[in-house]
Order: sequence, then C-alpha cells, then structure tokens
Amino acid sequence: GQNIDQPTEMTATEGAIVQINCTYQTSGFNGLFWYQQHAGEAPTFLSYNVLDGLEEKGRFSSFLSRSKGYSYLLLKELQMKDSASYLCAVLDSNYQLIWGAGTKLIIKP
Amino acid sequence: GAVVSQHPSRVICKSGTSVKIECRSLDFQATTMFWYRQFPKKSLMLMATSNEGSKATYEQGVEKDKFLINHASLTLSTLTVTSAHPEDSSFYICSARDTSGGSSYNEQFFGPGTRLTVL
Repeated sequence: GQNIDQPTEMTATEGAIVQINCTYQTSGFNGLFWYQQHAGEAPTFLSYNVLDGLEEKGRFSSFLSRSKGYSYLLLKELQMKDSASYLCAVLDSNYQLIWGAGTKLIIKP
Repeated sequence: GAVVSQHPSRVICKSGTSVKIECRSLDFQATTMFWYRQFPKKSLMLMATSNEGSKATYEQGVEKDKFLINHASLTLSTLTVTSAHPEDSSFYICSARDTSGGSSYNEQFFGPGTRLTVL
C-alpha cells in the first residue's frame, strides 16, 4: 500500500529553526509537495521537489532524497504566524496526490 | 498564482436536505478538479476526481449516489451532498490543477473550503 509518515506534532520557539520530516512509500513518484494549512482554512502551496537536493525559498527550504523515500521541510527564523499544520504529499505514478496526516507545528514565544 | 473559489464557505442545514457546493477556477482552465473531505485534526481524504465532460471517479468507500459531482465546464465543478445527515458534517475542500501549462509544477490549487454542519 501507499504510505506517508510525518510526526503528528512538533513544538518550537519563535526565532528558532525546525525540521519536519516526511517518509513515503508510494507506487511511483512524480514529485513531493509541502503545503501549509492553518486551522479552518484550505492548504496553501509551499514547495515542490522532484529531484534530489535542497530547494530554498526564503525562510522555508525543502529537501528530497528519492533513494531513501525521504523529505524534510526546514523553517528558519520561526514566527508566531508559522503555527499551522504542514502537510507532505506525494504525486504517485497516476499523478494522484497521496497525503500525509500532517504535522501540527506549535510556536512558543 | 492560480485562484480557486468555493461557495458557500459555510452552510448549516437540516438533516435530509441536499446541499450544493461550487468550485470554480477563476483564472485558469481545469479539466480535472478534486474533492476532498477533512475531519478535525485529520489529513485530507480524497473523495473523488471530477473530470470535465465525463463521469467523476470516486474513491473506494465514497457513495457516488450520495455525493453527486458534476463538472459542467472547464472552470466549474459542483458537489451535491444529497439527503445530508449529521455524519456528513465536515470540511469539504476542492482543488484544481492548471492543465493549460500555466503552472511550473503539478501542484493543486485549493479552494478556501466549505464548512458543512448538518443538524
């Protein structure tokens, strides 16, 4: 079966750095997405990785290792507004998104 | 970026009534739209894939007669929850993929969601 694993919840301090990990086992791979979702709102796109390596976009970076079935989202200089759920999703061989359960990130002052 | 609208944003209805939710891609064409359901503190659950001009593809366990999907045009898909019951109360989210080549990735653009409460 297809499976995406990520931690349920993480806590970090304002101004610090946090890394959210995601491991996946899917039938085929056409890219991995990270989305941010605030409570009661729809997900918003953060990043897309299809090749191995690190993609940096401002305070957020995303890393992919296809051989290990592994990705992480790195958030730097954390702000209170970064408190949200972060969803990892993989596009499988049928171009269907397989979603992780999401990681709730709690930022403390 | 591409914008997807969803209407209504919130609806409260009585048990037994039907509710229609609209999903529109505002500045791009979407031959494929997706309908998700999300329970509190849970991830997105794909209900069905809506294809313009053809029947929707439903995920296993989703009742096609209860959740009617119509993708009438390249910018509009509707989800009708028929004979709604309290257990249908949930957050329904649609998304669309820009298939015109306007997107660099294969990302899905999400609507703002519809909070359905069935009394």
